[in-house]
Amino acid sequence: DAKTTQPTSMDCAEGRAANLPCNHSTISGNEYVYWYRQIHSQGPQYIIHGLKNNETNEMASLIITEDRKSSTLILPHATLRDTAVYYCIVRDNGGATNKLIFGTGTLLAVQP
Amino acid sequence: NAGVTQTPKFRILKIGQSMTLQCTQDMNHNYMYWYRQDPGMGLKLIYYSVGAGITDKGEVPNGYNVSRSTTEDFPLRLELAAPSQTSVYFCASSYVGGGHNEQFFGPGTRLTVL
Repeated sequence: DAKTTQPTSMDCAEGRAANLPCNHSTISGNEYVYWYRQIHSQGPQYIIHGLKNNETNEMASLIITEDRKSSTLILPHATLRDTAVYYCIVRDNGGATNKLIFGTGTLLAVQP
Repeated sequence: NAGVTQTPKFRILKIGQSMTLQCTQDMNHNYMYWYRQDPGMGLKLIYYSVGAGITDKGEVPNGYNVSRSTTEDFPLRLELAAPSQTSVYFCASSYVGGGHNEQFFGPGTRLTVL
């Protein structure tokens, strides 16, 4: 599985958009980009995923560059409850294990 | 649906003791997983199962055993607890076979070995 690089931490003001970057320069053609988040002491929670097109759901938007070497997770109106560690993971959905390889993620602190 | 449930929430073991961490899912998922998370780190895969009766090792299987006799249950067994097994343990499940394979996680079991 390809590895990802994320900033260790970021701050965001409540009500503003939070833009979380992720580099995955060695991603292969059949690997998807997944985002999960982990609120303190809880299990990780799925946010969104994509292959090459931009994606949006009720939680967030995912922007993937044309060369697929990086992506950005956008939380359009961050709230205090969005304070969490955000993990960017690349994964081949055709793999036998379906496993997720977690890095250390980005700690997003939403400030009032 | 309760989703993925784990028991116990907390446990303190003495070195050399044994215990079983329980995990149950009610979503009829075929895949189940056990991860551990050490402080300040990401999750690491211990064992996984692709269906009842089938299990396989993940990245850090030493010191653990699993079984999968039913679709719903995936217990994790620690035979001889060691301080290095102090961690938070998360169970997860997913349906693999036609969707986006989202993993659903339980609330975790916090284990301390003294």
